[in-house]
Amino acid sequence: SAVISQKPSRDICQRGTSLTIQCQVDSQVTMMFWYRQQPGQSLTLIATANQGSEATYESGFVIDKFPISRPNLTFSTLTVSNMSPEDSSIYLCSGGTGVSTDTQYFGPGTRLTVL
Amino acid sequence: GQNIDQPTEMTATEGAIVQINCTYQTSGFNGLFWYQQHAGEAPTFLSYNVLDGLEEKGRFSSFLSRSKGYSYLLLKELQMKDSASYLCAVRKGGSYIPTFGRGTSLIVHP
Repeated sequence: SAVISQKPSRDICQRGTSLTIQCQVDSQVTMMFWYRQQPGQSLTLIATANQGSEATYESGFVIDKFPISRPNLTFSTLTVSNMSPEDSSIYLCSGGTGVSTDTQYFGPGTRLTVL
Repeated sequence: GQNIDQPTEMTATEGAIVQINCTYQTSGFNGLFWYQQHAGEAPTFLSYNVLDGLEEKGRFSSFLSRSKGYSYLLLKELQMKDSASYLCAVRKGGSYIPTFGRGTSLIVHP
């Protein structure tokens, strides 16, 4: 199974600033994803991080707000830009092989609080 | 789209058995997952069902009925450490990425 690390584990930020979250996978997974989990809610997919090209965003999420990079197979970053209190959430990185019978693995998450 | 429904919260007694249900509606079907998520931690994989029937893994079992759009997770010999949120996630046909339900918060008490 893949081990996924994220940093920072938590942060408290001021409104209008930006935060970049890093994700590292310890094995060469094919696919990497970023999710958001708001308090009491389930996981919502933000985007699929594509190696060397622009991420694929889900409805309701845009690149200007959540720019994503994936310079190689095992590393990705998510930036939460121009933050507002509504962005307070847990952000989770996930990786998988892309094989339909395989599960996705999740990082420990980054707990973001925006004041 | 996909609709996934599971109870918000359940409570059970240590040593008992609990069944967490999940119903779904999806265009096509490509597998159902159950994840366990302790507070402040990442979801961890419990089970994957793509064919009808019961899959048993130690104290945990998962059941699927595709015709009914229904699954359950069965936890036996409950332990205090089983207190967590249990997420049902469904892959629709042709897709790798599942859609997650809201999760069921299970509280195990002595």
